[in-house]
Amino acid sequence: AQSVTQLGSHVSVSEGALVLLRCNYSSSVPPYLFWYVQYPNQGLQLLLKYTTGATLVKGINGFEAEFKKSETSFHLTKPSAHMSDAAEYFCAVSDLQFGNEKLTFGTGTRLTIIP
Amino acid sequence: AAGVIQSPRHLIKEKRETATLKCYPIPRHDTVYWYQQGPGQDPQFLISFYEKMQSDKGSIPDRFSAQQFSDYHSELNMSSLELGDSALYFCASAGTLSFTDTQYFGPGTRLTVL
Repeated sequence: AQSVTQLGSHVSVSEGALVLLRCNYSSSVPPYLFWYVQYPNQGLQLLLKYTTGATLVKGINGFEAEFKKSETSFHLTKPSAHMSDAAEYFCAVSDLQFGNEKLTFGTGTRLTIIP
Repeated sequence: AAGVIQSPRHLIKEKRETATLKCYPIPRHDTVYWYQQGPGQDPQFLISFYEKMQSDKGSIPDRFSAQQFSDYHSELNMSSLELGDSALYFCASAGTLSFTDTQYFGPGTRLTVL
């Protein structure tokens, strides 16, 4: 069974600083990986996804993530944090190759932006 | 662009009552997923449907049932509600080429059981 681990349940960065949210996955087959963002009292919005092909994936709002098979990682980064980035971020994995398409989420990382 | 619609957005019930949550997927999406997110928790997969047939089942209590109708909308029926059922319930939909497509989430239904 696949799983993801998000290191750091809370991350604080200063406005304008680099954002780095860590995600490591475990999967018996090449995984499909996703990052979702959740603002307070709202649903989950897809930031970016990796399925196949280019390992550096660019998403919305200036975020990007790199799939590193050797490190089983899919860390999310943004060069310069903005106040509007404050939210909960979830990494998720899907084992599509077995037709098992449900998403398995990490426990989430709450990002706080310091003015 | 049309998004996933969930109704109601908020629901308050007493213990042992029943609740029905509805999900209307994005047009031309044929796959629906239900997730439960407890307070401060990550979303947990409950059940999914593809072309009106159950395609996968997760940690869904026997008190819950769900189905997908001919117009692809889905309903999650919850009976004998317990305090622990208080959570945010998300529905997500995906398209026909779901092996390579993305799950798009609705805004969720917040269920409070008193």
